[in-house]
Amino acid sequence: RKEVEQDPGPFNVPEGATVAFNCTYSNSASQSFFWYRQDCRKEPKLLMSVYSSGNEDGRFTAQLNRASQYISLLIRDSKLSDSATYLCVVNMRNTDKLIFGTGTRLQVFP
Amino acid sequence: NAGVMQNPRHLVRRRGQEARLRCSPVKGHSHVYWYRQLPEEGLKFMVYLQKENIIDESGMPKERFSAEFPKEGPSILRIQQVVRGDSAAYFCASSQGLGEEAFFGQGTRLTVV
Repeated sequence: RKEVEQDPGPFNVPEGATVAFNCTYSNSASQSFFWYRQDCRKEPKLLMSVYSSGNEDGRFTAQLNRASQYISLLIRDSKLSDSATYLCVVNMRNTDKLIFGTGTRLQVFP
Repeated sequence: NAGVMQNPRHLVRRRGQEARLRCSPVKGHSHVYWYRQLPEEGLKFMVYLQKENIIDESGMPKERFSAEFPKEGPSILRIQQVVRGDSAAYFCASSQGLGEEAFFGQGTRLTVV
């Protein structure tokens, strides 16, 4: 089983739609969780950290479920500019190593 | 504060030559990661280093590839005797460790001709 798994997509949604991605992780010792965004041929950029209590930043909401070992990202009122690949990242407590998922591709169409 | 600086941004090498990719982490960051990305594919972990130590190199090919992060100076990813299959974007990221997020450089795009 991969350490971090994501549905590769693509998710094709119209503008204004709500879309959600899940990411599962296998190591219960994971301590920190993040969502990154990567645009075509660019470097990944931090979108948001994921806290145990969940967190929201504008149209974006991230949640953590430790019992089921998954994190989620919800995007409301999708914009064309949200089209990108969204990477789930997990930090391992014992090694302090960041593990990246392979990403979920989102395409928002007019 | 300067972010993660990678150079060169683009590198062209002939088959059999050596490629040296440099990464200067964010000031104060002691953790460096190297990833490779082929077109239309996800990031593939290569190596994780802390100052002067390789912590995890499980993603590095056994031959021709090496990485270092010396006490002074940038982290270096070295590819000897490059082949066409080495053509890819190589991204470096740095973090403070302790569960903190990582920041990426703009990458080095290696083309082997």
